[in-house]
Amino acid sequence: GQQVMQIPQYQHVQEGEDFTTYCNSSTTLSNIQWYKQRPGGHPVFLIQLVKSGEVKKQKRLTFQFGEAKKNSSLHITATQTTDVGTYFCADGTGANNLFFGTGTRLTVIP
Amino acid sequence: DSGVTQTPKHLITATGQRVTLRCSPRSGDLSVYWYQQSLDQGLQFLIQYYNGEERAKGNILERFSAQQFPDLHSELNLSSLELGDSALYFCASSLPPGGEGGYTFGSGTRLTVV
Repeated sequence: GQQVMQIPQYQHVQEGEDFTTYCNSSTTLSNIQWYKQRPGGHPVFLIQLVKSGEVKKQKRLTFQFGEAKKNSSLHITATQTTDVGTYFCADGTGANNLFFGTGTRLTVIP
Repeated sequence: DSGVTQTPKHLITATGQRVTLRCSPRSGDLSVYWYQQSLDQGLQFLIQYYNGEERAKGNILERFSAQQFPDLHSELNLSSLELGDSALYFCASSLPPGGEGGYTFGSGTRLTVV
């Protein structure tokens, strides 16, 4: 099956610092989706990227899709305690399902 | 409330038993997906149904089965349970079969096998 790797697995940041998680695939992706899962919660859809080199912003969150469509990143500027959770990328190449990356667990220290 | 309803929220059962997890998709969504999330693990795709028909299978054990009914709710049946089956089981739904525009997840069923 598809393999989508995310790094880092864990990240601890001081509140106000920036945070970035990276998603890498060995194959070309048709699209990639990002989700956030709060501790004890369920995954919540954030965004979908489809085009090569695409960049989308949601307030302090910036999502990028690589030119070769094999990697993606999520950058959070000036983290807040509400950003705590696990961020997953998901490979949407398959016609009928998403394959989720391994996730990056973000801890924000007040 | 995401619109996807999963019951029960918690389930504790003994090894060797059988349980049924239930999912009602968001109104209007035709696709239902089941995922398993073990402690500190990612989301493992189990199976997908679209408008009543099985569309895709992932790493679903033979002891597990699922179905989607005419009213589009879905059930995941887990039998001959083992300790290692303890996990969070999520149901998600989407309108298109490919999930464009994202999946909507339910709050999950936490299964504990003792």
